[in-house]
Amino acid sequence: AQSVTQLGSHVSVSEGALVLLRCNYSSSVPPYLFWYVQYPNQGLQLLLKYTTGATLVKGINGFEAEFKKSETSFHLTKPSAHMSDAAEYFCAVSPISNFGNEKLTFGTGTRLTIIP
Amino acid sequence: SAVISQKPSRDICQRGTSLTIQCQVDSQVTMMFWYRQQPGQSLTLIATANQGSEATYESGFVIDKFPISRPNLTFSTLTVSNMSPEDSSIYLCSVRLALAKNIQYFGAGTRLSVL
Repeated sequence: AQSVTQLGSHVSVSEGALVLLRCNYSSSVPPYLFWYVQYPNQGLQLLLKYTTGATLVKGINGFEAEFKKSETSFHLTKPSAHMSDAAEYFCAVSPISNFGNEKLTFGTGTRLTIIP
Repeated sequence: SAVISQKPSRDICQRGTSLTIQCQVDSQVTMMFWYRQQPGQSLTLIATANQGSEATYESGFVIDKFPISRPNLTFSTLTVSNMSPEDSSIYLCSVRLALAKNIQYFGAGTRLSVL
């Protein structure tokens, strides 16, 4: 069984400050890990993913995340927040599969607010 | 990625009626899913849409309430039947592509309000 915990349902940062959104997972097998972003009144957009290879992955809009197996974490960061980053962010996990038929498990989401 | 077209984008419906949501994808798809996102909450998987056969429903969701069709690889519909205000949610279509089997993409969603 898998689960995802996102610490902090609401995070506020000042424009230009570091963004850090936390995600910890529980999985009995090595997972794939994802971050999605949902802007107001829109669907989910894939920000970045970890499947194999380098543990530091870069995504769109200047975001990156690091897979730390020893800490079972996949925290999302951005060095300098922009007003346009205000959105809901979801961490998700699925087991590794050669068939692509494993289900995604989502965290409860973190709403990011940017303070001018 | 792919273009996932979901219709309607929003609707306001009366209780007791039904609404059918359509999802069309412009790429080869391996799997299609339907999710519900209740106000202020995360995503809950309703079912996996199977081509040419009955959908696979998650615990708490039944075919009579959420009938799903998938007549071909790139098209699916979700019907929300006999609606009540508790069905007010965002309904999202999601797919996995043949060229990226382990990545899931989402449509823009259908925002449903039931009065």
